[in-house]
Amino acid sequence: QSVLTQPPSVSGAPGQRVTISCTGSSSNIGARYDVHWYKQVPGTAPKLLIYGTNNRPSGVPDRFSGSKSGTSASLTITGLQAEDEADYYCQSYDYMLSGSWVFGGGTKLTVL
Amino acid sequence: QVQLVQSGAGMKKPGASVKLSCKTSGYTFNSLDINWVRQAPGQGLEWMGWMNPKSNNTGFAQKFQGRVTMTSDTSSTTAYLELRSLRADDTAMYYCTRGQRGFPNYFDYWGQGSLVTVYS
Repeated sequence: QSVLTQPPSVSGAPGQRVTISCTGSSSNIGARYDVHWYKQVPGTAPKLLIYGTNNRPSGVPDRFSGSKSGTSASLTITGLQAEDEADYYCQSYDYMLSGSWVFGGGTKLTVL
Repeated sequence: QVQLVQSGAGMKKPGASVKLSCKTSGYTFNSLDINWVRQAPGQGLEWMGWMNPKSNNTGFAQKFQGRVTMTSDTSSTTAYLELRSLRADDTAMYYCTRGQRGFPNYFDYWGQGSLVTVYS
């Protein structure tokens, strides 16, 4: 059971917009720690997608955006494309867990 | 360009130890932490701990304390993870990652992974 809760799966048709939620608590996201997002294509290593809640590394399209409010964060993908099909993980920090980086359980995005 | 290249994967018996290597290049090794993250088959990502190559300071997730060691060799810019008393549920892909400064730190470069299989 992950400290950060994500929906197991989401789906959308090409061109559509999808949002993946990441729900935490007062000891992690609610404690004003940033949220980071990673994309993982099965069989490959995760790749940084969003850092500092809403910053994109070089090379990540602006179709990807992040936000945070209270104890939750969201990743939004607009103009869905086939290559967006992957697993997505949120990450933050929890001060109650002896100082631990924590991940969400992951969300499988299916492009219909 | 920044690269993290891992080695040391393999099959181990329960109770054995494994030591994984993470050879880095393309940046100043001492300047940033190395974190280790693992992923059991079909499961999500699990943070294991961090180490700072300059200070040798480390921090581990509670469940690994007492069973894990993270070290580095600055001359070869290589980080190491040793996990002892292996169990079947330690079967996983192990990733080293570079910890970029943030609030909290985020992992901007990842190794390709090292598969450790614990079998009896």
